[in-house]
Amino acid sequence: DAGITQSPRYKITETGRQVTLMCHQTWSHSYMFWYRQDLGHGLRLIYYSAAADITDKGEVPDGYVVSRSKTENFPLTLESATRSQTSVYFCASIRLAPHGQFFGPGTRLTVL
Amino acid sequence: AQSVTQPDIHITVSEGASLELRCNYSYGATPYLFWYVQSPGQGLQLLLKYFSGDTLVQGIKGFEAEFKRSQSSFNLRKPSVHWSDAAEYFCAVGYFSGGGADGLTFGKGTHLIIQP
Repeated sequence: DAGITQSPRYKITETGRQVTLMCHQTWSHSYMFWYRQDLGHGLRLIYYSAAADITDKGEVPDGYVVSRSKTENFPLTLESATRSQTSVYFCASIRLAPHGQFFGPGTRLTVL
Repeated sequence: AQSVTQPDIHITVSEGASLELRCNYSYGATPYLFWYVQSPGQGLQLLLKYFSGDTLVQGIKGFEAEFKRSQSSFNLRKPSVHWSDAAEYFCAVGYFSGGGADGLTFGKGTHLIIQP
């Protein structure tokens, strides 16, 4: 089915471990985004990408790394997870014309 | 830097009553404005969006919103709420100049409680 998928949907890890959250979209939209959602903060932009091999920092990029070797994939890596990175992570893509923004189902990450 | 303010963290409304959720933004350029709804444990669903034209926009589930440039506001309204409207509501602004897109800035959300 067409859409945005995220994996895993739930993840528990320990402080200091590396974790990669996957995001895959089937439309070949150029723009993709990673947000984190925390109580009292709404959603905040972590990183975004305008195309393959083009990425840029959002509001809260520290502690995260992204890559975009293929248009359809936009993985987010926590190189050394910290408890403050416990959150729900949403991936999104944008279709520019006609405009539409599409969100994935989210990944709930717990760092112990 | 752009910002979005949703001044009400929680709102309680009786079923059948009218609803207005407030949203104010601070943005340097002409904004693109959105309202999303999120049910517990679920993802985000777009209710409506405003890019240009008629400042009163209609969305899904009977919601509407009005863009008021002079007040930098984009308030969400519904004439009669249903128990199923209980959820978290997020206002967001974006900037898509020249085909570019640098992500959305979200408000912190308003939690809507429906009383029977």
